[in-house]
Amino acid sequence: ETGVTQSPTHLIKTRGQQVTLRCSSQSGHNTVSWYQQALGQGPQFIFQYYREEENGRGNFPPRFSGLQFPNYSSELNVNALELDDSALYLCASSTQGSEQFFGPGTRLTVL
Amino acid sequence: AQSVTQLGSHVSVSEGALVLLRCNYSSSVPPYLFWYVQYPNQGLQLLLKYTSAATLVKGINGFEAEFKKSETSFHLTKPSAHMSDAAEYFCAVSSADLNDMRFGAGTRLTVKP
Repeated sequence: ETGVTQSPTHLIKTRGQQVTLRCSSQSGHNTVSWYQQALGQGPQFIFQYYREEENGRGNFPPRFSGLQFPNYSSELNVNALELDDSALYLCASSTQGSEQFFGPGTRLTVL
Repeated sequence: AQSVTQLGSHVSVSEGALVLLRCNYSSSVPPYLFWYVQYPNQGLQLLLKYTSAATLVKGINGFEAEFKKSETSFHLTKPSAHMSDAAEYFCAVSSADLNDMRFGAGTRLTVKP
């Protein structure tokens, strides 16, 4: 059984660019949640996807968007990158209403 | 709306001493409460969770936490600290749907030899 994986591990972008982060959920899980963790802070909930539909969203602007695929893997897309988007992005997979298992994260640096 | 407040951004204890990490929550619905640990450059690992069953919850690595509704608290304890416990600890709250988990700012635990 493989755990939650994320790619890439590190990424450097410049302001105004777009980025796509990827998450492969743990086998048997149908729900993926995304979090942004700025340096020295706790994770902030971005949104959750369940069976390819958005199932909850935190206080993030529309330029943060996501997708979930039929195999339950997921993408997080961020448009018009800003310096404050620099953070560790975590995804977590679960079955609906159960414990979330976190991936190692993607560290995004925006210059 | 739900939120958690972790009291103390840094806690330092000696090896073998009691560990106490504080968490207070705010929730308009019966909360589910969690403690996670994060080691450097890694994701989060669940230590324990409260989901409206027993108020004293035992987790991995000797940690436990007690849900106190009257105090809106969910403090994390371990009787005897080990060097390997040094990490960042996060308290989190969610509704029963688990689609809106909110984390605290974290407490960095240092264990002195």
